[in-house]
Amino acid sequence: NAGVMQNPRHLVRRRGQEARLRCSPMKGHSHVYWYRQLPEEGLKFMVYLQKENIIDESGMPKERFSAEFPKEGPSILRIQQVVRGDSAAYFCASSPQMDTYEQYFGPGTRLTVT
Amino acid sequence: LAKTTQPISMDSYEGQEVNITCSHNNIATNDYITWYQQFPSQGPRFIIQGYKTKVTNEVASLFIPADRKSSTLSLPRVSLSDTAVYYCLVGAVSGGYNKLIFGAGTRLAVHP
Repeated sequence: NAGVMQNPRHLVRRRGQEARLRCSPMKGHSHVYWYRQLPEEGLKFMVYLQKENIIDESGMPKERFSAEFPKEGPSILRIQQVVRGDSAAYFCASSPQMDTYEQYFGPGTRLTVT
Repeated sequence: LAKTTQPISMDSYEGQEVNITCSHNNIATNDYITWYQQFPSQGPRFIIQGYKTKVTNEVASLFIPADRKSSTLSLPRVSLSDTAVYYCLVGAVSGGYNKLIFGAGTRLAVHP
């Protein structure tokens, strides 16, 4: 059973471009969380999704950021018109059920905005 | 969610036992205590979870006193590969989804 997969592992974008981060949860997991980690800081919650539904996006900036988890395919975190402050590691986690603190994290995507 | 306080950093040597204490004075009745480990350039990994007294698994032990206002993660005989950041999280497990709230964690450095 493969773990949570994220791609790309590293992404370099110039200011103003779009970044698309993909996350494939573990098999059988229908709950997906996205977190962001700035350098030398702890992880910050961004958004929680179930299949085809955004349940909680309270941690995601209102502008430029969006997330989806379609019926088929991976979850996508999309950042439009990236700025230098978006440079961070973005982690996706999945869980088989809703009410658990045991989430399985992917290796992350390191976004660098030049 | 209960606020947690843990040391910013700790140093140890190979073969020693390491105890990392987390304070959570306003822990609620329904709250559980969960610890995650994060190696450099990797995502966090669930280590252990407990509600009261003692929990042990193949990786660590978790000690929780009767008042539950603190907890101690114990790593027996650490090795260089245990160098990581350790996060203590406190919150209710049941009744809804759980967006994990990570603090700064404790940066453990194991030396030869």
